[in-house]
Amino acid sequence: GDSVTQMEGPVTLSEEAFLTINCTYTATGYPSLFWYVQYPGEGLQLLLKATKADDKGSNKGFEATYRKETTSFHLEKGSVQVSDSAVYFCALAIDFNKFYFGSGTKLNVKP
Amino acid sequence: EAGVAQSPRYKIIEKRQSVAFWCNPISGHATLYWYQQILGQGPKLLIQFQNNGVVDDSQLPKDRFSAERLKGVDSTLKIQPAKLEDSAVYLCASSLRSPGNNSPLHFGNGTRLTVT
Repeated sequence: GDSVTQMEGPVTLSEEAFLTINCTYTATGYPSLFWYVQYPGEGLQLLLKATKADDKGSNKGFEATYRKETTSFHLEKGSVQVSDSAVYFCALAIDFNKFYFGSGTKLNVKP
Repeated sequence: EAGVAQSPRYKIIEKRQSVAFWCNPISGHATLYWYQQILGQGPKLLIQFQNNGVVDDSQLPKDRFSAERLKGVDSTLKIQPAKLEDSAVYLCASSLRSPGNNSPLHFGNGTRLTVT
């Protein structure tokens, strides 16, 4: 079935370090791919999206490229800040906008 | 624009009691979702509405959970009777109706349910 697998956390980095959070997916059709971020006590917020192969989504310094050949959508940021500390969720959407989420990766950024 | 509104924010009940959650989606959003998020896990879809019709409720435990979307706008999710394993955050989300699959979800802040 359709699913998303992302790297387990927590990921702990120092401020200004490079971030990569791995995400791979399994889908029977042609999904759209998303990254969402969740801050403590809040709902999920859309971070970026890509709707077809080779698309690159970007927002707030974060980037992810839709790689069909490797079924991946890894999240990257060149220089993380303390304010980026949160839980990040990879997700895919298929058919009638049906979403599947990964289990989340907690990021801790230390000053 | 106003976001997705949910209430209450927190609820504590004893097992076998009943509880209801309310959601008001973003105006104009035809699709409404209820997700269950257990601590440390990703959201799991319980039910998806398109206007006031059900698109997918395959993972809704229908012996104890029910949901409705009155007039295609507000929605309520009910649990009766509650079990300990129902302790979770219940998230409501909405999206524009899309012919495809690229309309992002907009989430409310959720209701944290604790069953004792």
